[in-house]
Amino acid sequence: GQQLNQSPQSMFIQEGEDVSMNCTSSSIFNTWLWYKQDPGEGPVLLIALYKAGELTSNGRLTAQFGITRKDSFLNISASIPSDVGIYFCAGQSGGADGLTFGKGTHLIIQP
Amino acid sequence: DTEVTQTPKHLVMGMTNKKSLKCEQHMGHRAMYWYKQKAKKPPELMFVYSYEKLSINESVPSRFSPECPNSSLLNLHLHALQPEDSALYLCASSQDPGWGSFFGPGTRLTVL
Repeated sequence: GQQLNQSPQSMFIQEGEDVSMNCTSSSIFNTWLWYKQDPGEGPVLLIALYKAGELTSNGRLTAQFGITRKDSFLNISASIPSDVGIYFCAGQSGGADGLTFGKGTHLIIQP
Repeated sequence: DTEVTQTPKHLVMGMTNKKSLKCEQHMGHRAMYWYKQKAKKPPELMFVYSYEKLSINESVPSRFSPECPNSSLLNLHLHALQPEDSALYLCASSQDPGWGSFFGPGTRLTVL
């Protein structure tokens, strides 16, 4: 099946630093999504990307849909304590498909 | 109403029990999904319903039986589960197939 390679696996940063994570795939996706999941909760949709080359922002978050449709990145600027959690990228190939998830990036912020 | 709700939040069942998980959304979304998530792993797709019809079954064992009674409701019927089926079961919906999915809070299932 399709696989998404998400990196880094974990990040230890200081409050106020910028964060960058990315996902790559050997297959083309038509939709790229970024989610954040807190312990014991469901994933929360942060940004949805539907067009190759698209760059979208949501507050301090910025994500891009790679031009080859095989990659995406998420940047978080000026991190704050509530940014702690696990971030997942997810791709969708076709209209009726579900999501394929990356393995997640665990973000830890040191005060 | 902009959320996906799931009940129950927690469920403990024996291997001979029959139970059901329920998911509801009132956003007019036409696609609904079940995912299974084990600890420290990403969600894995189980079923996709598109316009109330089952469109994808990711080779899920028959002890899991999905049902979509109407466009707002999605059930997952459980029977004769195994301890390894213990996981967080997530429901999601999207406006149309291919659009970003919104997830519910999940049902934490423990099979004894």
